[in-house]
Amino acid sequence: DAGVTQSPTHLIKTRGQHVTLRCSPISGHKSVSWYQQVLGQGPQFIFQYYEKEERGRGNFPDRFSARQFPNYSSELNVNALLLGDSALYLCASSLAGWEQYFGPGTRLTVT
Amino acid sequence: QKEVEQNSGPLSVPEGAIASLNCTYSDRGSQSFFWYRQYSGKSPELIMSIYSNGDKEDGRFTAQLNKASQYVSLLIRDSQPSDSATYLCAVQSGGSYIPTFGRGTSLIVHP
Repeated sequence: DAGVTQSPTHLIKTRGQHVTLRCSPISGHKSVSWYQQVLGQGPQFIFQYYEKEERGRGNFPDRFSARQFPNYSSELNVNALLLGDSALYLCASSLAGWEQYFGPGTRLTVT
Repeated sequence: QKEVEQNSGPLSVPEGAIASLNCTYSDRGSQSFFWYRQYSGKSPELIMSIYSNGDKEDGRFTAQLNKASQYVSLLIRDSQPSDSATYLCAVQSGGSYIPTFGRGTSLIVHP
């Protein structure tokens, strides 16, 4: 079975721009979570969606938003990019929100 | 603020030895505990989950949970150079679907 997929793999943006990251969960998984990971730190929780409803939001500014589609895929949007948004963005899927299965991540660089 | 603490390491062990990785957490209501392995430049991969006090074994890996002392550990027996990675501890509170990750412990297994 295919694992979690994310696109794009790498992305370079300029400060102030907008970015959309995409994620497709493992087939049968209804929960998708987004994390931000900077070098030397563990993943920081951003959002979790289950059955298209937001089930949790981490301590991130309103510039970050997300949604889940009827096929359970998800998008993470970040507006007005800052240099500090440069990070590895991870998507994880799970059956109901417990054990997380991560995708390969999107490496975002903001210049 | 829920905290998950791990020694960042690196923990260096010889090939064939037992590697012991430790994690402490602050929230006494925590119910679910996970260990992830993350190779450099890759995304985290779920190794084990544990929900009850005691030991849980899976191949060369043993997770140990002590809720009274608020710690969870991961033992890797017969360590191999391929086990060299960062090991992330994640903790979820009862009723929450959102894990809190530690910063990870870097393990180096030298031949």
